[in-house]
Amino acid sequence: NAGVTQTPKFQVLKTGQSMTLQCAQDMNHEYMSWYRQDPGMGLRLIHYSVGAGITDQGEVPNGYNVSRSTTEDFPLRLLSAAPSQTSVYFCASSWGPDTQYFGPGTRLTVL
Amino acid sequence: KQEVTQIPAALSVPEGENLVLNCSFTDSAIYNLQWFRQDPGKGLTSLLLIQSSQREQTSGRLNASLDKSSGRSTLYIAASQPGDSATYLCAVGTNAGKSTFGDGTTLTVKP
Repeated sequence: NAGVTQTPKFQVLKTGQSMTLQCAQDMNHEYMSWYRQDPGMGLRLIHYSVGAGITDQGEVPNGYNVSRSTTEDFPLRLLSAAPSQTSVYFCASSWGPDTQYFGPGTRLTVL
Repeated sequence: KQEVTQIPAALSVPEGENLVLNCSFTDSAIYNLQWFRQDPGKGLTSLLLIQSSQREQTSGRLNASLDKSSGRSTLYIAASQPGDSATYLCAVGTNAGKSTFGDGTTLTVKP
């Protein structure tokens, strides 16, 4: 099992550009989530999903879109990047509301 | 809105000491509480998960307790080692899969 994988590992964007952060898991987990982590802080929930076709907003959803067409994949789209979106982004998955398994993260810088 | 606080923000101890990390939360209507470890520049690794109906969980030198009514959890680390140096995060979860994280406690264990 590869577990939770995220691509890319690093990304630099200019203000206004759009991009998609990829997240995939091979554990057949129903629940998947996206978080952002700013320096010296914990993680804040952006969007989450309890199964294919079902998504909901977390604490900080503005500026981000998600969709869940398959159980395995949960991409996060930045519509128009802003410097305030500079952060480390983590994807996580779990069997229901249970132990979460995290990916290695994507470090995003918006200039 | 659920808020999670971790005290202290940083802790430095000599090798061999037993230590306690604290986590408090404002809304006792939680489904579970999870403790994670994060090494610098890395993702999160799950240490222990306590269901809301449980009082404690143990794994090796780690013991986590939960007092839901008072909104508190502790992570006890016995006989600390330099390899335990990391940031420890707690997260409270709902049955809908939403998690709220604290900002973490950065632990340094000196040889």
